[in-house]
Amino acid sequence: QTVVTQEPSFSVSPGGTVTLTCGLSSASVSTGHFPSWYQQTPGQAPRRLIYNTNTRSSGVPDRFSGSIIGNKAALTITGAQADDECDYYCLLYVGTGSVIWVFGGGTKLTVL
Amino acid sequence: EVQLVESGGGLVQPGGSLRLSCAASGFTFSGYWMSWVRQAPGKGLEWVANIKQDGSAIYYADSVKGRFTISRDNAKNSLFLQMISLRVEDTSLYYCARWFYDGSAYSLDYWGRGTLVTVSS
Repeated sequence: QTVVTQEPSFSVSPGGTVTLTCGLSSASVSTGHFPSWYQQTPGQAPRRLIYNTNTRSSGVPDRFSGSIIGNKAALTITGAQADDECDYYCLLYVGTGSVIWVFGGGTKLTVL
Repeated sequence: EVQLVESGGGLVQPGGSLRLSCAASGFTFSGYWMSWVRQAPGKGLEWVANIKQDGSAIYYADSVKGRFTISRDNAKNSLFLQMISLRVEDTSLYYCARWFYDGSAYSLDYWGRGTLVTVSS
């Protein structure tokens, strides 16, 4: 069973920089897994932030960026703001058998 | 404006059935892969199923395979999820979402607000 791993929680100071990661239990993450990142505030539907590893969705501030760091996909927030405090999910294409897409467990980001 | 509006959720007993619908508007529905994604209360997102533009390719998560059926009616701009043999662990907010292809990769660019399914006796 393919598992996508994310840090359960992370904390960053206002104005600081934080990098959230997204890994695979069985392999290194590459651009071929088409990493995308989603932001979810309480009571709201997820909102796409980053797709195809490093492309920002329309309207997403440039303080959000995506990349591959080592063997994981990464979401970096530069100059964190209070309203960045919410949950972040990555989504990977795994393509094994019929289970082709898997979300990470999500990271709860605290800004304090 | 792209809109996805889910309906059909509710309270159902274990072993029961339910059919979810998603009404799409603001885009050419027949031109996109579509998906159902769910989220159990207080938990993370779980991909459930995908369906190709013409319905010719369908994929399911192992957790729902054999019990859930995704379908679509392009003439009515609608996506469906037929759920049978429901289990307590199927209790979730079910989102309808659209797949966007940028020429090299897919991602979920628009989401509905979700419809809540509660499986309980």
